[in-house]
Amino acid sequence: QKEVEQDPGPLSVPEGAIVSLNCTYSNSAFQYFMWYRQYSRKGPELLMYTYSSGNKEDGRFTAQVDKSSKYISLFIRDSQPSDSATYLCAPKQTGANNLFFGTGTRLTVIP
Amino acid sequence: GAVVSQHPSWVICKSGTSVKIECRSLDFQATTMFWYRQFPKQSLMLMATSNEGSKATYEQGVEKDKFLINHASLTLSTLTVTSAHPEDSSFYICSAPKEPYEQYFGPGTRLTVT
Repeated sequence: QKEVEQDPGPLSVPEGAIVSLNCTYSNSAFQYFMWYRQYSRKGPELLMYTYSSGNKEDGRFTAQVDKSSKYISLFIRDSQPSDSATYLCAPKQTGANNLFFGTGTRLTVIP
Repeated sequence: GAVVSQHPSWVICKSGTSVKIECRSLDFQATTMFWYRQFPKQSLMLMATSNEGSKATYEQGVEKDKFLINHASLTLSTLTVTSAHPEDSSFYICSAPKEPYEQYFGPGTRLTVT
């Protein structure tokens, strides 16, 4: 079993839609949960991170972690064409530097 | 957020030659840096962990004699692809963790071996 599972998509939505991106993980030692956005031919950009369970909101983006079910979500409200990118979830353990990446979900927001 | 740079952003080389890629943390120090490669439409694959002042740690299946890593200072790590072959053509990305838990990526280097 992979450490992190993520539906690769592709996912296409119309502009203004609410997008839900999800990951599951198997390692209960993960405590930090990162979301990265990667545009084509660019390095990943840190979008948001959360610690342990709960929600975190930043503008149109909301990250949600449910440690009991080992489920990570990223919600994008009022999606824009500029949100079209690949989104990668990446949890990590406390005290460790390495991240465990999901495969990434490719999102296209259609104007 | 913090800034990590990579140089060059794009390089073409002939088969059999070596190519060096630099990764710099511009506004913070990093005792550890990571090197990834990414093929089109695929996720990041960790190649090795670069450690300042000591040897790099390579992931299983990655040839350490082919991918030489040197972590010369707290802000610079280099990856040298030796005797490059067309199958080494890929997108190489470095990252550097910043305390307490963030990690920042470079913009990537596109290597094409002809």
